[in-house]
Amino acid sequence: SQKIEQNSEALNIQEGKTATLTCNYTNYSPAYLQWYRQDPGRGPVFLLLIRENEKEKRKERLKVTFDTTLKQSLFHITASQPADSATYLCALNKAAGNKLTFGGGTRVLVKP
Amino acid sequence: EAGVVQSPRYKIIEKKQPVAFWCNPISGHNTLYWYLQNLGQGPELLIRYENEEAVDDSQLPKDRFSAERLKGVDSTLKIQPAELGDSAVYLCASSGGLADDTQYFGPGTRLTVL
Repeated sequence: SQKIEQNSEALNIQEGKTATLTCNYTNYSPAYLQWYRQDPGRGPVFLLLIRENEKEKRKERLKVTFDTTLKQSLFHITASQPADSATYLCALNKAAGNKLTFGGGTRVLVKP
Repeated sequence: EAGVVQSPRYKIIEKKQPVAFWCNPISGHNTLYWYLQNLGQGPELLIRYENEEAVDDSQLPKDRFSAERLKGVDSTLKIQPAELGDSAVYLCASSGGLADDTQYFGPGTRLTVL
């Protein structure tokens, strides 16, 4: 069955450092991979989308890589700030239709 | 521009009671989704609408859950009767409908079944 794995342990990081999150998937051939941010009591908010034929995408302090051979995406937050503290979810989407399948999310805590 | 609106934000009911959640998507978005999110997990799709048609309801427990999207705008998700295991956050999202479209989520309804 399809499986999307994110590190369930919280990531504690010092302000100014780079946070790196991992999303691994099995039994899946996604056309698109998306990253969302979710704060407590709120719905997920879209951050970045990367297509299967793209290796890397950047947006301000965020960078996403997508390796379809390793079946893995890495999500980087550079120069992290306490305001970046949240849960980050990866989600996969096949080309046919637009059902998103989410991973369990990784909580990030940036300490000042 | 207003985002996805959901109500109520919180609901506490006793088991076997019915409950309904309402969602108003972003104006112009044809695709509407209902997701269920358990604590510490990612959202799981319950049903997806294209306009007023349910195009993917394979994960909806149809014995107790029902949904409708009359006129292709607002949507209602109902549970009858509710069970203890239904306690979760119910999220509504909408998108323009393309395969790589961003999905915009509402704040969710936190349901507690006692």
